Amino acid sequence: DADVTQTPRNRITKTGKRIMLECSQTKGHDRMYWYRQDPGLGLRLIYYSFDVKDINKGEISDGYSVSRQAQAKFSLSLESAIPNQTALYFCATSDPGQGDTGDLFFGEGSRLTVL
Amino acid sequence: DAKTTQPNSMESNEEEPVHLPCNHSTISGTDYIHWYRQLPSQGPEYVIHGLTSNVNNRMASLAIAEDRKSSTLILHRATLRDAAVYYCILIPSAGGTSYGKLTFGQGTILTVHP
Repeated sequence: DADVTQTPRNRITKTGKRIMLECSQTKGHDRMYWYRQDPGLGLRLIYYSFDVKDINKGEISDGYSVSRQAQAKFSLSLESAIPNQTALYFCATSDPGQGDTGDLFFGEGSRLTVL
Repeated sequence: DAKTTQPNSMESNEEEPVHLPCNHSTISGTDYIHWYRQLPSQGPEYVIHGLTSNVNNRMASLAIAEDRKSSTLILHRATLRDAAVYYCILIPSAGGTSYGKLTFGQGTILTVHP
């Protein structure tokens, strides 16, 4: 089983619908991240959380919200999806406690299409 | 925040060495140089990282300039499975307050020819 699991892997929805992307990890890491990937734009940070009580906005947080339900779970919500939120979404974790490298571990991605 | 600059694309032949450059002229003293790669239809995966000295692991080598303003990822013998997008990013040490602002640029698309 993957260390960082994202569900759903693929989702097609309509404009205005509420969508939740879920991420769970078995690595025991405190830090979790949500990234968005669009063709030609690399990965951009949406939100990040350094522990259960810590939520921070990233570069492109407008239109998104997150919930850190537990150390192992970090969910991304689109309250009212719009077509330009069509993208590939990645969850990642890291743990600076494992030395000081800060290596990031990514899930396999969730492809969201908003019609 | 410190930025990195990479070529958009590079090509190589199978079993030849590949040198992927990255410029990071605004690097700070506490930034680690990390390389990740993204294979088709997968999330990025860690390749290698370093601070000041050159580094080797089973996947690749990392050569860091003496002034740390540039680095080069070296794949000693490229294989078809190395075809991917390679990202060079700077990650501050664990206590860095800018840690949460990590963003990956466009990276370098590496094409490996048989």
